[in-house]
Amino acid sequence: AQSVAQPEDQVNVAEGNPLTVKCTYSVSGNPYLFWYVQYPNRGLQFLLKYITGDNLVKGSYGFEAEFNKSQTSFHLKKPSALVSDSALYFCAVRVSGGATNKLIFGTGTLLAVQP
Amino acid sequence: GAVVSQHPSWVICKSGTSVKIECRSLDFQATTMFWYRQFPKQSLMLMATSNEGSKATYEQGVEKDKFLINHASLTLSTLTVTSAHPEDSSFYICSARGSYTEAFFGQGTRLTVV
Repeated sequence: AQSVAQPEDQVNVAEGNPLTVKCTYSVSGNPYLFWYVQYPNRGLQFLLKYITGDNLVKGSYGFEAEFNKSQTSFHLKKPSALVSDSALYFCAVRVSGGATNKLIFGTGTLLAVQP
Repeated sequence: GAVVSQHPSWVICKSGTSVKIECRSLDFQATTMFWYRQFPKQSLMLMATSNEGSKATYEQGVEKDKFLINHASLTLSTLTVTSAHPEDSSFYICSARGSYTEAFFGQGTRLTVV
């Protein structure tokens, strides 16, 4: 079955420190991978995507993600965390849903950045 | 990035009434729109996928007669929760995809049925 896993419910990091939010996937064929962020009572904001090309993808707000095919991972990273980065982060993979492709989301990881 | 507007942001309705939620793509044509439901502290559950001018495709376990989806134009999709009950209270989110690879999401609608 095609799926996305985010093994950590919550990640705590001090402001200024690097952060990593983990994501692994299981899909057939080449994966289209995405990261989204959700602030309380809001919809999801697109951060970045991997389709093809360089394994290191740069996105919005200083975030980047590294695609690792051998480990089937797509971890989200940022060199220096900000308190304002505190939010819920979702990894997603696009799969074929019959006539239309659709996204399968991970369970989400709550990032808490302490001042 | 592209902008998707969802309205209303929150709504309270009486049990047994119907509620309509609108999802609009403001600066692009959305050939496909998706409707999700999110429970507190949980991930998004895809309810249905709609292509402009076609009937929506519902995920397994989602009642199509209860959650009516219309995608009559390339910029508007609506979700109507019919005969709402307290267990329908949830956060509903739409997303839209056009020529971009990624989908863009609305702000979400908090539905409370009393």
